Amino acid sequence: QKEVEQNSGPLSVPEGAIASLNCTYSDRGSQSFFWYRQYSGKSPELIMSIYSNGDKEDGRFTAQLNKASQYVSLLIRDSQPSDSATYLCAAPGNTPLVFGKGTRLSVIA
Amino acid sequence: AAGVIQSPRHLIKEKRETATLKCYPIPRHDTVYWYQQGPGQDPQFLISFYEKMQSDKGSIPDRFSAQQFSDYHSELNMSSLELGDSALYFCASSFNRGHKNEQFFGPGTRLTVL
Repeated sequence: QKEVEQNSGPLSVPEGAIASLNCTYSDRGSQSFFWYRQYSGKSPELIMSIYSNGDKEDGRFTAQLNKASQYVSLLIRDSQPSDSATYLCAAPGNTPLVFGKGTRLSVIA
Repeated sequence: AAGVIQSPRHLIKEKRETATLKCYPIPRHDTVYWYQQGPGQDPQFLISFYEKMQSDKGSIPDRFSAQQFSDYHSELNMSSLELGDSALYFCASSFNRGHKNEQFFGPGTRLTVL
């Protein structure tokens, strides 16, 4: 059974700070990882995809992948109150997604 | 850009009734996935279709069935509804690119079974 683990939080950060979200996965064969943002009662929104070891940056978001450690993270720089949501880590990419339980992020103004 | 369309957005049914949820994928996407999300839960995969053929099956009850039509839209049919079927049902679509197929979610259908 493929598993994706996340700290459920809540993770509280002050406005303007860096929020760091972490995820581990069990399947060493996983090649793709996705971060989704989900506001309460809304659908998951894809915000980052990462396929290779290292960092991938997109605006205020940076995804980091370490396949040797089976670890993927998401950094949100200059956090805004509008970033307050649940962030779901998901893998793999060539089969239906297996989601982590999600980390609830609260950005305090 | 066009997104995944789902209908209806809200649905209220009585126990033992049937329901049909519809999903229209992003144009040119060839794969459709159905997920169920209960309150406070992460999305759970139900079933998927690639090029109109069932490709994967997850925790879909036998009371549910689904299909993908020639125009790539998909329908999830739910019979003998139970209180526990109350949830958000999401459809996602992707263009199959091997391990890089990013899935994009529709707005969901909120099903309430009374």
